[in-house]
Amino acid sequence: KNQVEQSPQSLIILEGKNCTLQCNYTVSPFSNLRWYKQDTGRGPVSLTIMTFSENTKSNGRYTATLDADTKQSSLHITASQLSDSASYICVVSGGYQKVTFGIGTKLQVIP
Amino acid sequence: EAGVAQSPRYKIIEKRQSVAFWCNPISGHATLYWYQQILGQGPKLLIQFQNNGVVDDSQLPKDRFSAERLKGVDSTLKIQPAKLEDSAVYLCASSLIDFPDSYYNEQFFGPGTRLTVL
Repeated sequence: KNQVEQSPQSLIILEGKNCTLQCNYTVSPFSNLRWYKQDTGRGPVSLTIMTFSENTKSNGRYTATLDADTKQSSLHITASQLSDSASYICVVSGGYQKVTFGIGTKLQVIP
Repeated sequence: EAGVAQSPRYKIIEKRQSVAFWCNPISGHATLYWYQQILGQGPKLLIQFQNNGVVDDSQLPKDRFSAERLKGVDSTLKIQPAKLEDSAVYLCASSLIDFPDSYYNEQFFGPGTRLTVL
């Protein structure tokens, strides 16, 4: 069964600090992995996408990494801002055109 | 470009009542998705349309949920009758590319409709 597990479920950090969110998946065959940001009351917005040949992808202060061998991905946020408070959802595509969503990590950045 | 539009944004109904949600995708996007997102969980795909044809409705509770996409543009999702466990945010998304697992298939989401069933 295709699964995407994210950790931690929630996280509170101080403004200006860095943090790393984790995503482990069992989707097979693997096509690509996206990280989405979902602000409260809004729909998810894509941050990055990676295929098995890409180890890292950056989008401003967001850097995603992918290890296709261990089926792990991480999203690193540098110098966090209050606007980074949101849920971050890992989405893995593959398994014959199936897209599997993780439950997300809820990040709260406090002043 | 205009984003995915959904209405209403909020809906409160009593169990056993009926409710309908509307979605207008981004112009030119052939693929449309409806997701159910229960509080604290990731989105769960209910149904996927390619133009006005259904591609995947394997997780749609067909005894109470129905969806249509007439003319391959707007779509409506209906629940009849609603149950308490249907309380969730219903997200509509659209994408340009046919294949959901394509590298180029970015799904653009609407703001969602928050349904509360009392």
